[in-house]
Amino acid sequence: RKEVEQDPGPFNVPEGATVAFNCTYSNSASQSFFWYRQDCRKEPKLLMSVYSSGNEDGRFTAQLNRASQYISLLIRDSKLSDSATYLCVVSGGGGYNKLIFGAGTRLAVHP
Amino acid sequence: DGGITQSPKYLFRKEGQNVTLSCEQNLNHDAMYWYRQDPGQGLRLIYYSQIVNDFQKGDIAEGYSVSREKKESFPLTVTSAQKNPTAFYLCASSRDSRNTEAFFGQGTRLTVV
Repeated sequence: RKEVEQDPGPFNVPEGATVAFNCTYSNSASQSFFWYRQDCRKEPKLLMSVYSSGNEDGRFTAQLNRASQYISLLIRDSKLSDSATYLCVVSGGGGYNKLIFGAGTRLAVHP
Repeated sequence: DGGITQSPKYLFRKEGQNVTLSCEQNLNHDAMYWYRQDPGQGLRLIYYSQIVNDFQKGDIAEGYSVSREKKESFPLTVTSAQKNPTAFYLCASSRDSRNTEAFFGQGTRLTVV
C-alpha cells in the first residue's frame, strides 16, 4: 500500500464547477498535511496547509479527518487557471520531517 | 530575493558519466530534500538532510550521492550506477525538522544521451 494515495484523475470540469479531491495516508502518526499545486513541467508550489479544524482560503477548502486518515481539497467556482496537478503531501510520523507526496490528481477546467 | 536555486535547468549526460546537480538556498532553512519525478508520476524521495553534515537515504537512493557541508547547499551527484537517470530532479527546503512546508527550486531536467 502506498503511503499517500490520491484519486487517479484526470478531472475534466467546466468553469464554475465545484470539484473535490481526496487523499488517504497510511501512517497514523503523521503530523502535518499540505496541498501543493504543480503546473506542467514546473516545480510544485504550496497551495495550502491542512489543519485539524479545517481551513479555507478563498475558493479553496481543506479538511482533515485524522480518525479516517483522510484529507480533502474542495475547489469552488473553478477557473481555467485552476488547471494543474494537485499533490497531497504528508509529513512527520516519528523522527525526521520526511515529506511524502501522493502521485497527484490532474484537473482540467474547460470553458 | 530569498529562495532556492537549482542549476543547471537542463543537463545532458553521456552513458557512464557522473554529473552533479546544484541546489542552493538562502532561506536559512535547516532541512533540504532531493526528489525525482518521472513523466506522469509523483515525486519520489532520493535523499534528505535535516541539518548540516547529516543526511539520510530516501526511497530511491541507489545510484545517487549527496553532501551537506554547508547549510545553504545540498548538491546531488547522479553516478553511473544509476541505470535510468533521465528524469526531472527537484530540490526542496523547509525551515526545520518540525513538519513545516517545503519550498522547491525550479528543477533540473536530466537527459542521458
